[in-house]
Amino acid sequence: GESVGLHLPTLSVQEGDNSIINCAYSNSASDYFIWYKQESGKGPQFIIDIRSNMDKRQGQRVTVLLNKTVKHLSLQIAATQPGDSAVYFCAERFSGATNKLIFGTGTLLAVQP
Amino acid sequence: DVKVTQSSRYLVKRTGEKVFLECVQDMDHENMFWYRQDPGLGLRLIYFSYDVKMKEKGDIPEGYSVSREKKERFSLILESASTNQTSMYLCASSPPGGDEKLFFGSGTQLSVL
Repeated sequence: GESVGLHLPTLSVQEGDNSIINCAYSNSASDYFIWYKQESGKGPQFIIDIRSNMDKRQGQRVTVLLNKTVKHLSLQIAATQPGDSAVYFCAERFSGATNKLIFGTGTLLAVQP
Repeated sequence: DVKVTQSSRYLVKRTGEKVFLECVQDMDHENMFWYRQDPGLGLRLIYFSYDVKMKEKGDIPEGYSVSREKKERFSLILESASTNQTSMYLCASSPPGGDEKLFFGSGTQLSVL
């Protein structure tokens, strides 16, 4: 089956800078995407989602951008804080495959003080 | 807030043992899921359930079974544990209606010796 991949396995940023975590997906039929954050010793937590009929969605300090032309998804975190240090996963859902998400392998975000 | 509780944080078992991983959610969600998480492979779906006594195979069901006798509880069973089942196991739940937002437990790190 098709899988979701991440460009960078690790990302190191300075506290206060903006972070951009990228994700490439290969299934053009995917219609829904989610970003999760997983802190050490915890399960993944929902951050933000976006449907394929949108290009951009904003939350609190986070923005998800979807570029369907190149099948690319990104998560932007504004003013990165030490508490943002975690592994970030993107996931896609194939259109019509209800309740079945395909997860990427994750990117470790390390925030330097 | 939704709470998904996994009964054990760490488990150590021997090859050939029967292993039960328990998961309980308190938000009356219809859908429940079991994933395993391995370095470099991301989250892979083992089994999921839409309702009591219903179950569906995920992407890697071999060597596992599940039980859903009550709505709030979803158990993962390893009939005869093997060393390649050493992994982090994550339980998740979600409400019905196509919303793929999963709520995860904290995970059970299983080591099979």
